[in-house]
Amino acid sequence: MHLLESGGGLERPGGSLRLSCAASAAPVGSGFAFSTFAMTWVRQAPGKGLEWVSGISHSGDSTYYTDSVKGRFTISRDNSKNTLYLQMNNLRAEDTALYYCAKSSGTLWSPYSFFDSWGQGTLVTVSS
Amino acid sequence: QSVLTQPPSVSGAPGQRVTISCSGTRSNIGAGYDVHWYQQLPGTAPKLLISSNINRPSGVPDRFSGSQSGTSASLAITGLQAEDEADYYCQSYDSSLSGSVFGGGTKLTVL
Repeated sequence: MHLLESGGGLERPGGSLRLSCAASAAPVGSGFAFSTFAMTWVRQAPGKGLEWVSGISHSGDSTYYTDSVKGRFTISRDNSKNTLYLQMNNLRAEDTALYYCAKSSGTLWSPYSFFDSWGQGTLVTVSS
Repeated sequence: QSVLTQPPSVSGAPGQRVTISCSGTRSNIGAGYDVHWYQQLPGTAPKLLISSNINRPSGVPDRFSGSQSGTSASLAITGLQAEDEADYYCQSYDSSLSGSVFGGGTKLTVL
């Protein structure tokens, strides 16, 4: 599965951004079904390590968040468009990071999930 | 401060064997949740290296192996090559946080 993130940019503290992650078959022509996989967002602040941000089940019925973004970020998906989203509100300076979308290993979000396909990331910078 | 603890750096000469540790607690690795490992080459996205403690995805050389015991896990790399120089991250699930967690990452330098 090929994943392509977009929507990053420079935003002021308190502002909003919506990230998108478009999924497509890779290699081209191979079968894939975006709607059958859970998905996740992982971020990496400049020069820092990886941080799991949010996850969503294959249907979108179940969502999960790290504590620092609960109430501010909303993960969603449109399986008809093979696209994952992350709505980011009330942005803070500490949200500055490269945001990766990644495919999870199962249909449902599970404590045993791992991330087996990653996009190249989209950079979010929060600064006044 | 990451929930899973990794050494900031390790190094080894070409051909040598190195190990990277990932130390957790009873709410993550010690609770029986699987540990997964990722390799991040400079300037690129992470890549899955080991899943579910010991499994290598297709295409990952058998020089890479994982193990888990108690509240810790380890990644071993044998026959070090220059191309192995990268950051390595462990990942698991933490029941106290109700979410996935990563280690702080380990930078591998091939001397």
